[in-house]
Amino acid sequence: AQSVTQPDIHITVSEGASLELRCNYSYGATPYLFWYVQSPGQGLQLLLKYFSGDTLVQGIKGFEAEFKRSQSSFNLRKPSVHWSDAAEYFCAVGADYKLSFGAGTTVTVRA
Amino acid sequence: DAGVIQSPRHEVTEMGQEVTLRCKPISGHNSLFWYRQTMMRGLELLIYFNNNVPIDDSGMPEDRFSAKMPNASFSTLKIQPSEPRDSAVYFCASSLVSGTGSGTIYFGEGSWLTVV
Repeated sequence: AQSVTQPDIHITVSEGASLELRCNYSYGATPYLFWYVQSPGQGLQLLLKYFSGDTLVQGIKGFEAEFKRSQSSFNLRKPSVHWSDAAEYFCAVGADYKLSFGAGTTVTVRA
Repeated sequence: DAGVIQSPRHEVTEMGQEVTLRCKPISGHNSLFWYRQTMMRGLELLIYFNNNVPIDDSGMPEDRFSAKMPNASFSTLKIQPSEPRDSAVYFCASSLVSGTGSGTIYFGEGSWLTVV
């Protein structure tokens, strides 16, 4: 069975600073990997996904993530955070139809 | 394109009442999912439909929960009778699953249920 670990429950970052959110997964084969963002009171919006090919994937809102098979990781990065990036971020691993989510990382952006 | 549409967005009901949540998936998608989100348990898959057929309902908490998908453009999740511990956000999601496996799953805005 697949599983996802997001080690950081909460991260605070200054506006304009870089952001990295960690994600580690457990899955026996090559996984499908996703990052979703959830703003307060909203649904989950897909930021980016990895199915195969280039291990550095670009997403919306200036986010990118890198798949590292050797480390079973799929960390999300953004070079310069905006106040609107304050939200909860979920990493997910998919196999067939099942999507397993991490517990989420809440990002707070300070001025 | 319209995304996944859920209704109601918010519902407050009394314990013991029946609750029906509705979902319209993205047109052309062949898979539909119901997820529940709580602080304690995070996001959990309740049930998965493929081509309107329930494939995996192992996440449905108990017999009080039921889900239907009478056609490709509509699904319901029903709780009868409702209990306070059912208070959560219920997300409907859809995807186009090809023969190669997973498709990208798109989520609705959620139905925020409070049972008092």
